[in-house]
Amino acid sequence: QITLKESGPALVKPTQTLTLTCTVSGFSLSANGVGVGWIRQPPGKALEWLALVFWDDDKRFSPSLKSRLTITKDTSKERVVLTLANMDALDTATYYCARRAPTGDIDYWGQGTLVSVSS
Amino acid sequence: DIQMTQSPPSLSASVGDTVTITCRASQDIRSFLAWFQVQPGKAPKSLIYAASGFQIGVPSRFSGSGSGTDFTLTISSLQPEDFATYYCQQYDTYPWTFGQGTKVEVK
Repeated sequence: QITLKESGPALVKPTQTLTLTCTVSGFSLSANGVGVGWIRQPPGKALEWLALVFWDDDKRFSPSLKSRLTITKDTSKERVVLTLANMDALDTATYYCARRAPTGDIDYWGQGTLVSVSS
Repeated sequence: DIQMTQSPPSLSASVGDTVTITCRASQDIRSFLAWFQVQPGKAPKSLIYAASGFQIGVPSRFSGSGSGTDFTLTISSLQPEDFATYYCQQYDTYPWTFGQGTKVEVK
């Protein structure tokens, strides 16, 4: 059974760096063709893709956020970590991690974690 | 970036109805189109990949069609658990982009 679970702070202050962890089970982060990505959804708004790390450690980022994002994976710990620097109120959102299947599409999602930005 | 335009933004329907949601891409994305269901407090659910392929466990009342720039999600015989917001997403080109969503509400 494939599962993904996000963890991280519920509240961060403006200008701080957000660090979120996605812990996966039921598949290997090094399996050929697999990736793990992050998507967010501000309250009342649409989904927005942020970043993706592939099985071979290749990475892709949203151009509008690239300068603020990092994504890393630790295959032995079955974790993917996203950092978003210089947080602002506009970054308040539910953050999801999701699996990119070898077919290229997203097939499984985590439950999501709500992150609020406030002083 | 490829823009994904969904319509309608919302619709009202009753259990048993058939509903159709459309998604248009700003350029050719071949068949690299997915559909997702999002409900408050739940993990989003992947429904359709490659425009018309079923994800594991998705009921057959959901179906997808289209290629190139125009795509459709159809839900036949709407069930109570289907009231949700639906999103299309292109994965032909990075950055991945989503439509603005279609909220299916109870009439």
